[in-house]
Amino acid sequence: DTEVTQTPKHLVMGMTNKKSLKCEQHMGHRAMYWYKQKAKKPPELMFVYSYEKLSINESVPSRFSPECPNSSLLNLHLHALQPEDSALYLCASSLRQSTNEKLFFGSGTQLSVL
Amino acid sequence: EDQVTQSPEALRLQEGESSSLNCSYTVSGLRGLFWYRQDPGKGPEFLFTLYSAGEEKEKERLKATLTKKESFLHITAPKPEDSATYLCAVRGGSNYKLTFGKGTLLTVNP
Repeated sequence: DTEVTQTPKHLVMGMTNKKSLKCEQHMGHRAMYWYKQKAKKPPELMFVYSYEKLSINESVPSRFSPECPNSSLLNLHLHALQPEDSALYLCASSLRQSTNEKLFFGSGTQLSVL
Repeated sequence: EDQVTQSPEALRLQEGESSSLNCSYTVSGLRGLFWYRQDPGKGPEFLFTLYSAGEEKEKERLKATLTKKESFLHITAPKPEDSATYLCAVRGGSNYKLTFGKGTLLTVNP
């Protein structure tokens, strides 16, 4: 299994809603990532988890809250988002957080905030 | 700060017309240069990792090469299914972050 699975594929939410994005991998990877990608732009790193601990937070607003319940799962909890948060949210994983490891990406969740 | 510049921004080819995409980079101590393919509304799909100048890797119609300042993705006799955005990214030194270029949108017409 060489897949990173993200659910849901599409999400529409209002600014007062609370929702969660989910990501799962069964490759034994111990580093997991959240990226945000706006249309026609490259992916931008949001968070990195290494061995289930938050390793990097790229100064992301607190309305985005990551969680790593175990080595296979990664969640992103969303609350009080703004329309400008609409984007493709990508989960990725790598064997470790070392600097020469390739990342495997999921297909993403296309988020629209109304 | 690591920097990646890809050119051209967009490239339109006829089926069978070979060409190359360029990725210029500035990084302190290259740990890896990565090529990804991304289809609209999907996540990037890993293609190649290159680690040192002179290295080359091939996969079907694609061949990636690396020098000390740039990488090329050569596409030989492309087919319409090769149409996608091709992203280049680097990791340098002790930097945990994968720095992406803005990508090249490749369109192959039948």
